[in-house]
Amino acid sequence: NAGVTQTPKFRVLKTGQSMTLLCAQDMNHEYMYWYRQDPGMGLRLIHYSVGEGTTAKGEVPDGYNVSRLKKQNFLLGLESAAPSQTSVYFCASSYGTGENSPLHFGNGTRLTVT
Amino acid sequence: GQSLEQPSEVTAVEGAIVQINCTYQTSGFYGLSWYQQHDGGAPTFLSYNALDGLEETGRFSSFLSRSDSYGYLLLQELQMKDSASYFCAVRGTFMDTGRRALTFGSGTRLQVQP
Repeated sequence: NAGVTQTPKFRVLKTGQSMTLLCAQDMNHEYMYWYRQDPGMGLRLIHYSVGEGTTAKGEVPDGYNVSRLKKQNFLLGLESAAPSQTSVYFCASSYGTGENSPLHFGNGTRLTVT
Repeated sequence: GQSLEQPSEVTAVEGAIVQINCTYQTSGFYGLSWYQQHDGGAPTFLSYNALDGLEETGRFSSFLSRSDSYGYLLLQELQMKDSASYFCAVRGTFMDTGRRALTFGSGTRLQVQP
């Protein structure tokens, strides 16, 4: 049982380049999330999805787009990368939003924008 | 919106007890969660408190006081492997959809010394 899988694990981009981060979960979870983690700032929610075909903005959505075409996949896109987007990106999923629905995280994607 | 405050760093010795505090401000409180993250790893769920009082899970306990908007994570019989970052989190409400997603504190780095 793989849980939440993120690809790639590492990536270096030049300013202005675009890329897509992939997230897949095999737990049949309805909810999926993209967080970014920066030193001293904890995890901040970028976008999230409450089901297939739906997406919504989190705390820091600017510069990112997402898609949830299939229930098991949640894609995060950077249209024109900026150095401020250098971060560790975590995808997570949950069955619901209640107390019995903890988040399951992937191992992260370390992105550097030069 | 939501905000959480926790100490940035705590140091303790092996075998000791340590308490990591968390105060929060949120509209619509649904419970306080705790996650552990080892360096280079993914956050993993530790505990959840929806009601006042202490929840015990092995060496770890979590406490909540809703009237004080305060909780803590208690780690007993500290081991070297407990060296990690610990995040408290609450489910806030995002006004654009009315859905609730997890908002994390900035994390407390626990260093266990021999």
